[in-house]
Amino acid sequence: AQSVTQLDSHVSVSEGTPVLLRCNYSSSYSPSLFWYVQHPNKGLQLLLKYTSAATLVKGINGFEAEFKKSETSFHLTKPSAHMSDAAEYFCVVSRFDGGATNKLIFGTGTLLAVQP
Amino acid sequence: NAGVTQTPKFRVLKTGQSMTLLCAQDMNHEYMYWYRQDPGMGLRLIHYSVGEGTTAKGEVPDGYNVSRLKKQNFLLGLESAAPSQTSVYFCASSYSLSGNTIYFGEGSWLTVV
Repeated sequence: AQSVTQLDSHVSVSEGTPVLLRCNYSSSYSPSLFWYVQHPNKGLQLLLKYTSAATLVKGINGFEAEFKKSETSFHLTKPSAHMSDAAEYFCVVSRFDGGATNKLIFGTGTLLAVQP
Repeated sequence: NAGVTQTPKFRVLKTGQSMTLLCAQDMNHEYMYWYRQDPGMGLRLIHYSVGEGTTAKGEVPDGYNVSRLKKQNFLLGLESAAPSQTSVYFCASSYSLSGNTIYFGEGSWLTVV
């Protein structure tokens, strides 16, 4: 069975410093993994996705994530935080249901605060 | 360039009232989904559809019904609203199966008093 654990519910960084949002997954298949971002009162926007190609995945707005099978991790990073990065971030694993649909299993989210 | 559109965006209901949330997508996607988002719980799948005329239950289907009469529309109905259904509801769609990006609407905020 697939599951995903976001290790921090809240992360606070200063503007201009690196961002690290941690995600561990559990999957009995080769997983597809995603990071979505949700700004206040908005829908979810795809940041990046991993689908068994390159293990280092680059996304929008300078974010990237590295798939590490040995550690079952898919941590999201950004070298330098910007005020506009303040949002909630969701790590997601895609569960292929054997012909039914690609159900997404969501982590509980990490709220990123960026201090000036 | 609309993507996934949900209506209404905000609604307040009294306990026992009924309502329907409408989702429309213009990307010709086969798969459509309804999720609810509650604090500290991420998103949970209510119902989904793998094509026009089909629907299936997700993780938390009780108290909801859905219909997919047209490929581009996916309706979520609450027949008798309860305070436990106060939540933010997201519709989503995708082209096909595992690995494909799912596109989300902007959400519908529902309060049941």
